[in-house]
Amino acid sequence: DAGVTQSPTHLIKTRGQQVTLRCSPKSGHDTVSWYQQALGQGPQFIFQYYEEEERQRGNFPDRFSGHQFPNYSSELNVNALLLGDSALYLCASSLPGESNEQYFGPGTRLTVT
Amino acid sequence: KNEVEQSPQNLTAQEGEFITINCSYSVGISALHWLQQHPGGGIVSLFMLSSGKKKHGRLIATINIQEKHSSLHITASHPRDSAVYICAVGGSNYQLIWGAGTKLIIKP
Repeated sequence: DAGVTQSPTHLIKTRGQQVTLRCSPKSGHDTVSWYQQALGQGPQFIFQYYEEEERQRGNFPDRFSGHQFPNYSSELNVNALLLGDSALYLCASSLPGESNEQYFGPGTRLTVT
Repeated sequence: KNEVEQSPQNLTAQEGEFITINCSYSVGISALHWLQQHPGGGIVSLFMLSSGKKKHGRLIATINIQEKHSSLHITASHPRDSAVYICAVGGSNYQLIWGAGTKLIIKP
């Protein structure tokens, strides 16, 4: 079992560009959550996807959007990148019906210049 | 006041020492997580607790639901244990509420 995987590992983008980050959940998990962790801070919840729909959303602007595919993998899209979007983006997957037992991927480090 | 408070914020100890990190929370929870993050790295889930005590190797986690308090203990600490340890709680919604983390440094 590969666990939660994320791609890419690192990414450098320019202000105003768009970025797509990808997450594959642990085998058997159907729920995917995305978090943003700025340097030196704790993770902030972005949103959670279940059954291909956004189930809950944190306090992030509409520039942050997501998608979940039938195989439960997920994408996080960020449009019109700002310097402040530079962060580690973490994906976590959960067992069916156990939304709080989250398993984390290694993260994607995004740098916006 | 934060909903999840960790103490201490920073902890430096010598190799071999017994380490305790504390977490107090003020909200109703369904589960409490202890997680580990190495510098520049992703997050690794160490324990998920809803009651009692769990042990994995040199790590022990306890929770007291009535007192809304949890502790993470490391026995025979080693320099490779140096990391940020984070307490996070899950409530009735789908989000985790995160503590600020405890930065642990174990010196050889």
